[in-house]
Amino acid sequence: QVQLVQSGAEVKKPGASVIVSCKASGYTFTHNGIIWVRQAPGQGLEWLGWISPLNGDTIIAQKFQLRATMTTDTSTDTAYMELRRLTSDDTAVYYCARGRGLFPDYWGQGTLITVSS
Amino acid sequence: DIQMTQSPSSLSASVGDRVTITCRASQGISSWLAWYQVKPQKAPKSLIYAASNLQSGVPSRFSGSGSGTDFTLTISNLQPEDFATYYCQQYDTYPLTFGGGTKVDIK
Repeated sequence: QVQLVQSGAEVKKPGASVIVSCKASGYTFTHNGIIWVRQAPGQGLEWLGWISPLNGDTIIAQKFQLRATMTTDTSTDTAYMELRRLTSDDTAVYYCARGRGLFPDYWGQGTLITVSS
Repeated sequence: DIQMTQSPSSLSASVGDRVTITCRASQGISSWLAWYQVKPQKAPKSLIYAASNLQSGVPSRFSGSGSGTDFTLTISNLQPEDFATYYCQQYDTYPLTFGGGTKVDIK
């Protein structure tokens, strides 16, 4: 069965960087994109971007283009999302999801990133 | 960016009720619309894609309709496990954007 297992919660200081990992199993990793979405406490969902594990192509929301990098490692079927220059506004649960096209059909369990001094 | 406006922002309903949530896009998005269910401390669950197609494993009491700018999610015969927040999302144009959510709680 399709599973996406994300890395654990982290606490970061303002200005730091964080990398969230997302290990896929149960399907051929290069056949589907990986989508990243976040949800801040008490807020709605926000789309960060998409990456193709097949060729590394990315589409990152303009809001995050200068601070976010999305990569994949096809040897371990793992996707990564790095977010730099963190602020308190980046405190959120970050989700990866398998993309069927741009539709996320299976989701990871989420990773809580807390930015606090 | 395409703005997605959901209404109502919240509603109270009883088990067995029929519930309808609407989502309006600020410009036409054809049928590139999805619906998600979000519960506290849980990952989102994808319900519907391409406006009206049920994701595998989703109960048939969920249905979606619409195209262009106006869309609806209907839950017929509301069940206890359906109390949650529902979001629409357009995936026609980057950046992909979500509606503000509709919280469905128990009357």
